[in-house]
Amino acid sequence: AQTVTQSQPEMSVQEAETVTLSCTYDTSENNYYLFWYKQPPSRQMILVIRQEAYKQQNATENRFSVNFQKAAKSFSLKISDSQLGDTAMYFCAFMKDYGQNFVFGPGTRLSVLP
Amino acid sequence: NAGVTQTPKFQVLKTGQSMTLQCAQDMNHEYMSWYRQDPGMGLRLIHYSVGAGITDQGEVPNGYNVSRSTTEDFPLRLLSAAPSQTSVYFCASSYLTGVDGYTFGSGTRLTVV
Repeated sequence: AQTVTQSQPEMSVQEAETVTLSCTYDTSENNYYLFWYKQPPSRQMILVIRQEAYKQQNATENRFSVNFQKAAKSFSLKISDSQLGDTAMYFCAFMKDYGQNFVFGPGTRLSVLP
Repeated sequence: NAGVTQTPKFQVLKTGQSMTLQCAQDMNHEYMSWYRQDPGMGLRLIHYSVGAGITDQGEVPNGYNVSRSTTEDFPLRLLSAAPSQTSVYFCASSYLTGVDGYTFGSGTRLTVV
């Protein structure tokens, strides 16, 4: 069975600075997908970024980028130029190739300070 | 608006009561699922369905029932509510392989007293 670990329950960052959220996972699969979801206080789950394990190039979406280290089973999220609206819970999630169900990590609560 | 609609948004139940959480999607997604979110545990899968008439158990199915009579609807039934079922519940849907990510509903906060 797959597991996902987020070792930082809470983090804070000053507005306009850069922050990195950590995620590690355990799997015996060779092909899979990794995701970061954001959950602001509104409770809505919002897809931030997605990475396909067979692609070596790290995914980027505007201010959000990942550092995917397949051998180390690590998938960290970097948020550049942090904004107050980035304050949220962030979940790392794993899905097998041709899979349907997610395995979520416990989440990291990020606070962006003015 | 296209998406996943969950009702109700908030609910308080007494121990032993039953209720149904409603979930509907209008995107013709084959896959639908229910997750519960608890502090420090992320989201855990309760039940899921890959099409009308097909359901299966996830990680934490005990105390919950589901059925899928149509592509659009996937209700979650609590048979006899217990305080351990106090949680936030999310319904989600996707095309058959969820590798592009899910569309989530807005969640239901359930409190069992």
